[in-house]
Amino acid sequence: DAGVTQSPTHLIKTRGQQVTLRCSPKSGHDTVSWYQQALGQGPQFIFQYYEEEERQRGNFPDRFSGHQFPNYSSELNVNALLLGDSALYLCASSWGLAGGPETQYFGPGTRLLVL
Amino acid sequence: GNSVTQMEGPVTLSEEAFLTINCTYTATGYPSLFWYVQYPGEGLQLLLKATKADDKGSNKGFEATYRKETTSFHLEKDSVQVSDSAVYFCALPHTIKAAGNKLTFGGGTRVLVKP
Repeated sequence: DAGVTQSPTHLIKTRGQQVTLRCSPKSGHDTVSWYQQALGQGPQFIFQYYEEEERQRGNFPDRFSGHQFPNYSSELNVNALLLGDSALYLCASSWGLAGGPETQYFGPGTRLLVL
Repeated sequence: GNSVTQMEGPVTLSEEAFLTINCTYTATGYPSLFWYVQYPGEGLQLLLKATKADDKGSNKGFEATYRKETTSFHLEKDSVQVSDSAVYFCALPHTIKAAGNKLTFGGGTRVLVKP
């Protein structure tokens, strides 16, 4: 049973570019959340997708957008990259919205470096 | 909103030493509390949880007790091993019902255990 997978594992971009990160949830899961983890800090919630809609959003600008596909996989898009967007981006999946955080499984993350 | 404060690292210990990582929280109501661990190069893993006051969560020799009076959830382990070297995060869910399983994390504490 594959867990949460994310691609790519590492990525280098320059300021002003756009980036797309991908996440495949654990088998049987239909809800995907994205977190940004800056170096030396705890993860910060970006947004959550369920039934192909954004259900919750953290304190992130509109440059951060997402999408969920019918197969429950998800993409995180960041436009007009800033140096401060350099971070580890974590995807977490779960089933439905009613379960507690303990039902979430995290992927290994995509490390983005913006130069 | 909810917030978590945990002691800054790094914490460097010798094998078989006692480990404690302090965590205090601010929240509306009495949320469940969690400790996550992030091993080098890996995603977050749920280490333990406690769902109500005076509950003790435990796993892999780690323990933490939910202290409502002091709003604390300190992580402890009697005898650490080199394999416990990781970053540890204290976390709690958003308590508003509609927020799903969004998590708020502390800043993380890096633990290095030397043989």
